Parts: sequence; C-alpha cells; structure tokens
Amino acid sequence: GAGVSQTPSNKVTEKGKYVELRCDPISGHTALYWYRQSLGQGPEFLIYFQGTGAADDSGLPNDRFFAVRPEGSVSTLKIQRTERGDSAVYLCASSLKPGELFFGEGSRLTVL
Amino acid sequence: AQSVTQPDIHITVSEGASLELRCNYSYGATPYLFWYVQSPGQGLQLLLKYFSGDTLVQGIKGFEAEFKRSQSSFNLRKPSVHWSDAAEYFCALADSGYALNFGKGTSLLVTP
Repeated sequence: GAGVSQTPSNKVTEKGKYVELRCDPISGHTALYWYRQSLGQGPEFLIYFQGTGAADDSGLPNDRFFAVRPEGSVSTLKIQRTERGDSAVYLCASSLKPGELFFGEGSRLTVL
Repeated sequence: AQSVTQPDIHITVSEGASLELRCNYSYGATPYLFWYVQSPGQGLQLLLKYFSGDTLVQGIKGFEAEFKRSQSSFNLRKPSVHWSDAAEYFCALADSGYALNFGKGTSLLVTP
C-alpha cells in the first residue's frame, strides 16, 4: 500500500499478557518511529529507528517495552507483562526527511 | 529541555471566520517547528514546517504559520475556516534530530 500500515487496529488483552504491534512503513523510508497517544494528549515519543538500528530509544517507559526492525523495513513493538496504564493508541510513522513524518492510523491497545 | 505548549485545549470558530491556533516553544536554539492535523479516523498529517529562512510558511489546505523568535511562538492561521477543518491540531518541535516533541493539541470545532 501507499501509506503506513499498522496491525492490529484494535487489541484487547488482559493484564500481564504479552502484546506485539506491527508497523509496515512506506517503502523506501529509512526512518521509522513509534509514538504512544493517550486520550486528550499529544503523541509521546517512544523510539526511532534509522535503518535496522534504534537511533533513539529514550522514550521507552521501562524495560517491558521493546521494538525491533530486523530488516530495516517492518517494525514490531513488543510489550511484556502489560499493565492497565499501557492502554493507549500506539502510532507508527515513517519518513525520509527530518520532521516530515507519515503516520499510520494507529493500534488501539486496551488492557483489562 | 525542549517543550511545546498549546495554550488552548478547545477552540470554536464559525464557518468562514478566520482562525489562529497558538503554539509556544521552549528551546535553546532555533528549533525545527511543525503543525500536524489529526482528523477522526485518520492518521496525523503534516500541514507545514519551519526549518529556517522566511518566517512565514505556507502549508496545505490553505494554512500558514509564522515563526516569531522574540515571542517563542509558531501560531497557525487560516483566513477562512471550512467545516472540514474540524479536527485536532498539534504543534511539534524537533532539534537537530529526527524525533518530534508534540504539544497536547488543540481541538477545533467549526459551527455553521
């Protein structure tokens, strides 16, 4: 597809479970970002990849959160031992130029 | 530390009226500044950006923004608002890197 694709669009899980969220960026975009957006808030930066490596992971809230991008394209955000406070919309974006991000529609995570 | 403040949580404007959304930033040097729009059910979309040069920048959908260093502001304007402009608007800042720091957003309601 032409845009950034995120799956699943909705995920409901129970506290303590493991979750994976997938992002398929625009073809050829070298930079990939994960953000988290809670209700009434702006997107909160989590991690940024340039190619296969995490160039900046300073936004990951704790060691339960991890992201990979093994072949420099698709990325997976992994959350272990989910907590109710992890409930949010997780946004993925990709870009070629600094600041010019193309966002997906997000994955809404609900932890019961 | 860099930060972005959007003082208005909600703004209501009549269709056809002019619009100004406020954005103030805190950063030691000249930042890269952006405005993004988030419509219901859609991903965030870049409206315009400021890197350097002319302080009045034009964007898509008839929007413009003016960078004022003396006021640490980057306000978004539109001369005549259309009903389809109703959305959430986010101001964002980046330093020399790629990751964006977003404000909390301003929700725009357009009345007939």
